[in-house]
Amino acid sequence: KAGVTQTPRYLIKTRGQQVTLSCSPISGHRSVSWYQQTPGQGLQFLFEYFSETQRNKGNFPGRFSGRQFSNSRSEMNVSTLELGDSALYLCASSPGTGVETQYFGPGTRLLVL
Amino acid sequence: AQSVSQHNHHVILSEAASLELGCNYSYGGTVNLFWYVQYPGQHLQLLLKYFSGDPLVKGIKGFEAEFIKSKFSFNLRKPSVQWSDTAEYFCAVNADSGYALNFGKGTSLLVTP
Repeated sequence: KAGVTQTPRYLIKTRGQQVTLSCSPISGHRSVSWYQQTPGQGLQFLFEYFSETQRNKGNFPGRFSGRQFSNSRSEMNVSTLELGDSALYLCASSPGTGVETQYFGPGTRLLVL
Repeated sequence: AQSVSQHNHHVILSEAASLELGCNYSYGGTVNLFWYVQYPGQHLQLLLKYFSGDPLVKGIKGFEAEFIKSKFSFNLRKPSVQWSDTAEYFCAVNADSGYALNFGKGTSLLVTP
């Protein structure tokens, strides 16, 4: 099976702009989770979607939002970018039906100037 | 607050040395435990996991971990490291069958020839 794919792999934006990141889960997986990885804070949970519904949300401001489509692909949006949003954004997928292993994609590296 | 602590932030070992990386968590309920590894330039990969049963779990590449409930610990071990084990290691906890993984800050392991 193909793994989790994320696009784009790299992005450079300026403060105040918005950005949309995309994640395609492993075929058959219906749960998609998003994480932010920074050197200072490590890996932090953003939110999780299952069957187009957000089931869980981390402690991030409302500028961070997401959605999931009927084919389980997910997008994450960050509006009004700040310098501190520079990070590696990771997507993970799992079947979504219970306690399971999450499989991670390669990430999108976002640099905000 | 719920947290995951990895006490060793940077570890340097010579090849063939034994490895033990500490992980402690502060959840009181049911937990599921993971160790992930991030090799240089690669995405996060699962090393091993504990959901229930035998508290000593074996993973890929000769790694093992022991869940000690009374100590809220899930330490990672390998009897003899190789240069190819150079990577960043993350302990993660999924609490009360929720959908978020809470990660420790990671341990950077450098194995010297």
